Amino acid sequence: DAGVTQSPTHLIKTRGQHVTLRCSPISGHKSVSWYQQVLGQGPQFIFQYYEKEERGRGNFPDRFSARQFPNYSSELNVNALLLGDSALYLCASRKGSRTGNEQFFGPGTRLTVL
Amino acid sequence: DQQVKQNSPSLSVQEGRISILNCDYTNSMFDYFLWYKKYPAEGPTFLISISSIKDKNEDGRFTVFLNKSAKHLSLHIVPSQPGDSAVYFCAASARDYGGSQGNLIFGKGTKLSVKP
Repeated sequence: DAGVTQSPTHLIKTRGQHVTLRCSPISGHKSVSWYQQVLGQGPQFIFQYYEKEERGRGNFPDRFSARQFPNYSSELNVNALLLGDSALYLCASRKGSRTGNEQFFGPGTRLTVL
Repeated sequence: DQQVKQNSPSLSVQEGRISILNCDYTNSMFDYFLWYKKYPAEGPTFLISISSIKDKNEDGRFTVFLNKSAKHLSLHIVPSQPGDSAVYFCAASARDYGGSQGNLIFGKGTKLSVKP
């Protein structure tokens, strides 16, 4: 079975630009979460979606937004990029939300803001 | 403030010996705990989890112990192998108002080096 896939793998943008990151969950998984990981830190929660509804939002500015599509894939959008947005962006999927909380991560998108 | 703490940034162990990675948490609402392994340039890989109703869970060479009164969990790897060399993250979650598990809160990670 295919795991979580993310695109693109790497991305270089300049300050002020906009970026869209994409994620496809494991087949049968209805929940997708986005995390940001900067060097030396653990992943930090940005958004969680379940059945196309936002179920949680982390402590990130409104420049960050996301959505989930009917096929459960998801997009993360970041507007007005800042140098501090440079990070590894991780997408994770899980089957449901009421039993365990095993989330399976994709390889990430490495975003560099110049 | 950090709700999940991994106080050892690094750990070095000889091949064949036991690796013990530790994690402390402060939020008493956490009821599900996970360990992930991460290689450079890859996403975290799920290793093992434990619910707060248990104090031990085992999967092959990996065992997680949970001490709720001390708000402490540990991951034991026996025997350690060079391929286990990676960064290990501890994560925790709590249920939301609807009873569903919420987002994961991660520690900063511990870099494990297993020497041949």
